[in-house]
Amino acid sequence: QQPVQSPQAVILREGEDAVINCSSSKALYSVHWYRQKHGEAPVFLMILLKGGEQKGHDKISASFNEKKQQSSLYLTASQLSYSGTYFCGVTYSGAGSYQLTFGKGTKLSVIP
Amino acid sequence: NAGVTQTPKFQVLKTGQSMTLQCAQDMNHEYMSWYRQDPGMGLRLIHYSVGAGITDQGEVPNGYNVSRSTTEDFPLRLLSAAPSQTSVYFCASSPTGVGYEQYFGPGTRLTVT
Repeated sequence: QQPVQSPQAVILREGEDAVINCSSSKALYSVHWYRQKHGEAPVFLMILLKGGEQKGHDKISASFNEKKQQSSLYLTASQLSYSGTYFCGVTYSGAGSYQLTFGKGTKLSVIP
Repeated sequence: NAGVTQTPKFQVLKTGQSMTLQCAQDMNHEYMSWYRQDPGMGLRLIHYSVGAGITDQGEVPNGYNVSRSTTEDFPLRLLSAAPSQTSVYFCASSPTGVGYEQYFGPGTRLTVT
């Protein structure tokens, strides 16, 4: 069962902020965030583990709310280079495997 | 390091043909996996392997076979291609464990006519 990402798409002007959410109906162990530009492979952004702290680097950060089984990706002061499709991939608690189940993605477009 | 490499980059097959998509990594990663990506569907796991000689099915395994004879290589075989297998295929590898990032190959774009 895929996690649900929202919104499906968002358009920002340079300098604006955005939040992308990833929700699951099953208990999560870890959440991975990737960005994919058109025609390219997904590129790793960060991992959040159950019980871990909020992560971030530069102007991109993420949180993991264990009570809600939800992760949020925060992009602040967006740049043109942030454009792409963002995917969350999750592993489930108790699953006993390293399988990542990905959401359908959020398309982010940053315009001048 | 070359990272994760995939061949070919593009392939066109006729319905019923078979072929093998190649994937290799030079990072000594135990975990390797194959995903397919279709518009609006995200990445869906086909098969994965946690080490040489060990493979298992993912979410959408039908019509595909894998084997893992070495740590470096993880080929994906299409037994009898169907138009529904038209997709972009990504191979990925990582150290074993949930706390590690997956490194993706550049992808193979497959069209089945």
